[in-house]
Amino acid sequence: DTEVTQTPKHLVMGMTNKKSLKCEQHMGHRAMYWYKQKAKKPPELMFVYSYEKLSINESVPSRFSPECPNSSLLNLHLHALQPEDSALYLCASSEPRTSHPDTQYFGPGTRLTVL
Amino acid sequence: ELKVEQNPLFLSMQEGKNYTIYCNYSTTSDRLYWYRQDPGKSLESLFVLLSNGAVKQEGRLMASLDTKARLSTLHITAAVHDLSATYFCAVDIDTTSGTYKYIFGTGTRLKVLA
Repeated sequence: DTEVTQTPKHLVMGMTNKKSLKCEQHMGHRAMYWYKQKAKKPPELMFVYSYEKLSINESVPSRFSPECPNSSLLNLHLHALQPEDSALYLCASSEPRTSHPDTQYFGPGTRLTVL
Repeated sequence: ELKVEQNPLFLSMQEGKNYTIYCNYSTTSDRLYWYRQDPGKSLESLFVLLSNGAVKQEGRLMASLDTKARLSTLHITAAVHDLSATYFCAVDIDTTSGTYKYIFGTGTRLKVLA
């Protein structure tokens, strides 16, 4: 099973709302990622968790708060977002880089609209 | 500054024709990945190229890697409409935290015309 699931598929929120995006994988991968993708652009890395610890934060504004409750789950908490944060948010997982392929497997994404 | 550039950015081609997409990168990396993305959808892994000279083929797509030239190619043979999508290459680089991360290319939007 090479599936990464994300909920919700679509989310519309106001600038004062608090919401969360959820990601789950059951491949036993120990690295999980959050990406932001604007239309017609490549994905931009936001956060990397490795062995459930935050390993990379690409200088993401604090209104985005990641959380990794266990090795299968990854959350992204959203608060006081701006309209320019509207995008497709992609979750991915992989084995940490070793000698064998470490392809990242992407979830279907959450389409976020901030009003 | 690290750059991963693809060309062309847009490609409109007739069914049955051949074409090559190029991915150039500016840093040392011995791994390169190709992904496909359909409009409004997620990214699907196509190829993982792990070493210099690696060549992988799947159906009408063939990918190769030249780490010395910092160049990967994605060759399309006898294109069909179903290949219409955006194709991204990505290289992975080490970070100061010891974690690797992807840097994606600019993407190539391919449209195959019947």
